[in-house]
Amino acid sequence: GAGVSQSPRYKVTKRGQDVALRCDPISGHVSLYWYRQALGQGPEFLTYFNYEAQQDKSGLPNDRFSAERPEGSISTLTIQRTEQRDSAMYRCASSSRPLAAGELFFGEGSRLTVL
Amino acid sequence: KNQVEQSPQSLIILEGKNCTLQCNYTVSPFSNLRWYKQDTGRGPVSLTIMTFSENTKSNGRYTATLDADTKQSSLHITASQLSDSASYICVVSAAGTGANNLFFGTGTRLTVIP
Repeated sequence: GAGVSQSPRYKVTKRGQDVALRCDPISGHVSLYWYRQALGQGPEFLTYFNYEAQQDKSGLPNDRFSAERPEGSISTLTIQRTEQRDSAMYRCASSSRPLAAGELFFGEGSRLTVL
Repeated sequence: KNQVEQSPQSLIILEGKNCTLQCNYTVSPFSNLRWYKQDTGRGPVSLTIMTFSENTKSNGRYTATLDADTKQSSLHITASQLSDSASYICVVSAAGTGANNLFFGTGTRLTVIP
């Protein structure tokens, strides 16, 4: 695609429900990053992939959070048993080179609200 | 510890004036430094990316400088416009080891007023 696409753009869910956020990186991009961003703050690292390999998941807050990128393209960030504190903007970014050595492009984000 | 600090936290300037934003980092080993512009509600968009050997890079009215010895960078905006109102985020990359290598500052919120 022309840019990094994320869906849904907005998600409102009840506490305790599971949610899946999707990231479709720029075609051919090797590395893919997930971030969480609070209002007025910089992006907070969650996890990243080079191709299909999850290289670092140290930023995932707890074991309710998981991510996958099974074919090295589209990635899904899953939050199980959502809590109100999970409410945030979740952003995905991709780069044409491993470890984001090249230009890093961000998606428009998925705004999650947990009631 | 790898850290990126930006100053000021926020800035208000009159349209047409110049301004300079600062970024200090402790990331090591250094790979590159990027400046991003983030409009409210939008994803960050890249302005410049500089490697160790580059000490200045321009993108229109935006000029970034890098002093790798003192581990400081600045972003200078010339003849500001209302559309420059945004958050500006400094991102420093460490040379790859396999673990996360991108370190973000918390940004400077710039407001340009008429």
